[in-house]
Amino acid sequence: DGGITQSPKYLFRKEGQNVTLSCEQNLNHDAMYWYRQDPGQGLRLIYYSQIVNDFQKGDIAEGYSVSREKKESFPLTVTSAQKNPTAFYLCASSRGGTSGYNEQFFGPGTRLTVL
Amino acid sequence: QKEVEQNSGPLSVPEGAIASLNCTYSDRVSQSFFWYRQYSGKSPELIMSIYSNGDKEDGRFTAQLNKASQYVSLLIRDSQPSDSATYLCAPFPFSGGYNKLIFGAGTRLAVHP
Repeated sequence: DGGITQSPKYLFRKEGQNVTLSCEQNLNHDAMYWYRQDPGQGLRLIYYSQIVNDFQKGDIAEGYSVSREKKESFPLTVTSAQKNPTAFYLCASSRGGTSGYNEQFFGPGTRLTVL
Repeated sequence: QKEVEQNSGPLSVPEGAIASLNCTYSDRVSQSFFWYRQYSGKSPELIMSIYSNGDKEDGRFTAQLNKASQYVSLLIRDSQPSDSATYLCAPFPFSGGYNKLIFGAGTRLAVHP
């Protein structure tokens, strides 16, 4: 059963803590993405990766870090430097490349709340 | 000017009617366009892809693309209450954006019985 999984579904963080959100895909996709969505708002790109061991900052990368050591995995760390991390975090993947046939598919999301 | 513009809604239509959702975009070189549906509290789900000018039909959904006008729309025929969701428009690629989609903020659709 191909797809994208994210864990945990809900995450609570204390002030000053770093937390890591997991994203795994078994679609054999080259490209992976992290988005943030605030209530009533659109999607904002945090980081993306076109290929293993490479990633680029998106529009709101400050306070976040990623790694791409395996094709299947693209974890996101929300650091204590991110001042307002409470949001819905979405991971997505696509075939990659510059072809227009490049739909992104999303995981179920992780809802992060800072206590 | 925003890169992708959608009317935030809510767009309210009666059950069985046609819902028309519109999207304009600023990048003239966008090749492909995707429509996503997002239910409240859930992740976006791809429902339509369109790559060339004209219409593309899939079940009750029709996407219409006019690249010259930089306009793409989604029609939902025989609207059902289960269609009530936010619909996101996403052109690809955007200028300077290698393999990145830029999402519109979405239009909220409410189908009432």
